[in-house]
Amino acid sequence: GDSVTQMEGPVTLSEEAFLTINCTYTATGYPSLFWYVQYPGEGLQLLLKATKADDKGSNKGFEATYRKETTSFHLEKGSVQVSDSAVYFCALRGYGGATNKLIFGTGTLLAVQP
Amino acid sequence: DSGVTQTPKHLITATGQRVTLRCSPRSGDLSVYWYQQSLDQGLQFLIQYYNGEERAKGNILERFSAQQFPDLHSELNLSSLELGDSALYFCASSGQGPRSEAFFGQGTRLTVV
Repeated sequence: GDSVTQMEGPVTLSEEAFLTINCTYTATGYPSLFWYVQYPGEGLQLLLKATKADDKGSNKGFEATYRKETTSFHLEKGSVQVSDSAVYFCALRGYGGATNKLIFGTGTLLAVQP
Repeated sequence: DSGVTQTPKHLITATGQRVTLRCSPRSGDLSVYWYQQSLDQGLQFLIQYYNGEERAKGNILERFSAQQFPDLHSELNLSSLELGDSALYFCASSGQGPRSEAFFGQGTRLTVV
C-alpha cells in the first residue's frame, strides 16, 4: 500500500542554518504530496503542496520539489528561525483511488536554537 | 483558523467510561478524517467518511466507532476507555477533488485516569 517515510528527528539547528528534512514515498499512480507543520499545542497546518511531478511547492521560505524519479519530496529552507521550531509531517494523497485518504509520515521534530 | 471545529478541547474521564468527540468540517467539505496522536505512536489514521458513508478504515479499535451525519458533522465515540487511549484526537476535512489538501481542527485532548 501507499506509504511515506521521513527522516527521524529530532533535528537541532542553530538560527540561520540550512534545513533539509528528507521524505520519500511509495504510491501507485500520481499522488499529491504535502508538508504539514504542527506548532506546540496546535493542530496541523498545511505548509505547502505539489500535485504533479517537478512541481515545486513553497511557503514562508520553505520549499519542496516533487521528484517522481526518486519518489522524494524533501523539505528545505535556506535560513531557519527559532519560530520554525515545530514538528513537520510529510503526507501523500493517492489520486483516483476510492479512498483518497491522507497518509502521513511519522513526523520530524525541528528545534532551532538562538 | 482552519474552519474545522472540534469540541470539546479537553476531556478528562475515568477508565471504562464512554465519550463522544465532535467535529464540524469546513463549509462545503464532504470528507472527514479522524486521527489519533500519541507520543509513542505518532499520527495514526483512524477512519474517513465521505458524504455520510464510511470510505476508509485505519487502525481503529473495535471499542471506537464514528459516524457522519446528514449535516456533515462527525462524531467519534470511544468506549470502555483505557489509560492507553489518552491522546490527542484530530479531525480533518477536505474537498472533493483528489488533489485537495486536508484542513485540521485544533484537536481534543483526551486524558483517561
